Amino acid sequence: DAGVIQSPRHEVTEMGQEVTLRCKPISGHNSLFWYRQTMMRGLELLIYFNNNVPIDDSGMPEDRFSAKMPNASFSTLKIQPSEPRDSAVYFCASSLALGTYEQYFGPGTRLTVT
Amino acid sequence: AQTVTQSQPEMSVQEAETVTLSCTYDTSESNYYLFWYKQPPSRQMILVIRQEAYKQQNATENRFSVNFQKAAKSFSLKISDSQLGDTAMYFCAFMSTNTGNQFYFGTGTSLTVIP
Repeated sequence: DAGVIQSPRHEVTEMGQEVTLRCKPISGHNSLFWYRQTMMRGLELLIYFNNNVPIDDSGMPEDRFSAKMPNASFSTLKIQPSEPRDSAVYFCASSLALGTYEQYFGPGTRLTVT
Repeated sequence: AQTVTQSQPEMSVQEAETVTLSCTYDTSESNYYLFWYKQPPSRQMILVIRQEAYKQQNATENRFSVNFQKAAKSFSLKISDSQLGDTAMYFCAFMSTNTGNQFYFGTGTSLTVIP
């Protein structure tokens, strides 16, 4: 299996622009998680889905952030408009199911907003 | 709320020696899981080892083992025969099945293996 796939690996954009991060979970995994990693705050869970349905989005920092999972093999995290403080590494992770299973992480997307 | 504490921001160890990374957590849950993840310079998060709270036996994966002290809420990672490829950030993580299956991560320990 190819593992969790994220694109792009690096994104540089100007403040005010829309940014879309993409994730393909491991085939057969039913749960998907979006994390943000910064030096100041470490790894933060933003939102997670189970069977394509958002379960908890309490970690989403602001209304500028939105996430979708239109099907079992694809999810997006969108920031509109982007701000310099959104600069971070964004990870997507998937799990076989909620409950007892570990999460497998993608390689991350390094976002820089200038 | 669950909290995970890693009190050692940085550690170093000589190649082939043994090192122990500390992790403590706070929870009122009884059914949970603990994990150690490794993040090398490539940035990829890699699962190292997992421990189920209901199991008394400490988990072991090759050179990696844990010392799980449930009463003390302690979950340390021991790396034996350290190798240069072990140089990475190590994150301790907690997951409760009773509170939404969220992962809670510690702030990480940066481990450097010295040749």
